[in-house]
Amino acid sequence: GAGVSQSPSNKVTEKGKDVELRCDPISGHTALYWYRQRLGQGLEFLIYFQGNSAPDKSGLPSDRFSAERTGESVSTLTIQRTQQEDSAVYLCASSDLRHIYEQYFGPGTRLTVT
Amino acid sequence: GQNIDQPTEMTATEGAIVQINCTYQTSGFNGLFWYQQHAGEAPTFLSYNVLDGLEEKGRFSSFLSRSKGYSYLLLKELQMKDSASYLCAVRVGWDGGATNKLIFGTGTLLAVQP
Repeated sequence: GAGVSQSPSNKVTEKGKDVELRCDPISGHTALYWYRQRLGQGLEFLIYFQGNSAPDKSGLPSDRFSAERTGESVSTLTIQRTQQEDSAVYLCASSDLRHIYEQYFGPGTRLTVT
Repeated sequence: GQNIDQPTEMTATEGAIVQINCTYQTSGFNGLFWYQQHAGEAPTFLSYNVLDGLEEKGRFSSFLSRSKGYSYLLLKELQMKDSASYLCAVRVGWDGGATNKLIFGTGTLLAVQP
């Protein structure tokens, strides 16, 4: 079946502009996660959605970052007034509640802020 | 605070065995994960340990000692395709699904040489 998909695959934007990144989780997966990975670094947790529960936003680095998810479907991560330090690969993952330990990752969106 | 340490780089020979260590100091613990990430690709799940001891899965094994805050990933019969980054991650909370945040180490870049 289809895996996690993300769009766009690459995004180049000017400093100060807003960007919106999209994630389509695996159908039926109730949990969805956003991570950021800077060049040569590990994954940095951003936010976690589980069903209709309040999301865990504890990893969002500033109020310029926000994420939405409608039900158990698509999620969007929005970065307002982008800065050069926001340049990174943004990875989305999803998991099934019955096998919550195994997160399936999408291919990521490479964001470059110039 | 949360701290996960792994060696930055390792080199090993095709056909050999390599052990990648991970130590952690986290505010909570509810399982340790290993992911493999090839360059330019998304991470893929390798193993999950929540109890002390060794979990074996084919050529890959993972060990956990919760009292020592220590894990290792053991790769046997190394192949060239095993050249990748290996990410250690700790689930720091679990509340029946209320939070499933993973804290990742920076990863160990393994180079397998002929």
